[in-house]
Amino acid sequence: QKEVEQDPGPLSVPEGAIVSLNCTYSNSAFQYFMWYRQYSRKGPELLMYTYSSGNKEDGRFTAQVDKSSKYISLFIRDSQPSDSATYLCAMSRSNDMRFGAGTRLTVKP
Amino acid sequence: DTGVSQDPRHKITKRGQNVTFRCDPISEHNRLYWYRQTLGQGPEFLTYFQNEAQLEKSRLLSDRFSAERPKGSFSTLEIQRTEQGDSAMYLCASSLSTSGHYNEQFFGPGTRLTVL
Repeated sequence: QKEVEQDPGPLSVPEGAIVSLNCTYSNSAFQYFMWYRQYSRKGPELLMYTYSSGNKEDGRFTAQVDKSSKYISLFIRDSQPSDSATYLCAMSRSNDMRFGAGTRLTVKP
Repeated sequence: DTGVSQDPRHKITKRGQNVTFRCDPISEHNRLYWYRQTLGQGPEFLTYFQNEAQLEKSRLLSDRFSAERPKGSFSTLEIQRTEQGDSAMYLCASSLSTSGHYNEQFFGPGTRLTVL
């Protein structure tokens, strides 16, 4: 079993839809939970991070962490075609990060 | 551009050859990380440096792989006797370590290696 599980999709939604992306994990030692966005042939860029459990909102993006269920989510409201990318969840204890496989999202105009 | 840079962006080599990649981190970032990403997968941690010291290596980093950061600035990743299974995107990231705070890692564009 992988430490971090993420449905690779692909996921296709119409413009304006609410997108829900999820990951589960097995290592209870993880403390930081991140969401990265990666465009084709580019390096990942950090969208949001959360420390421990709880919610965090940044514009159209909301990250949720439920440590009791070992489950994290990213919600994208009013999705735009420019949101089309691969979304990677990641988590860490201290110095090394463990990534999910990434979910490929397409937002159609 | 003051982001993380990597060179070359693409490398095609024949099986058995040695290759070396370079990463220039964001200036003043004391931590530097190497990851490998294969198609359809997330990045996998390989190793990281705090200044010039290599502090952690993944089991994925076989004896054919070696990384250096001689002056605590740029880093090189060398793969000896390349194999077709080494074909991947090699990503470098850097961060500024601050105790008790989240250390955001900034990624470079990666070096795509193809081993024929």
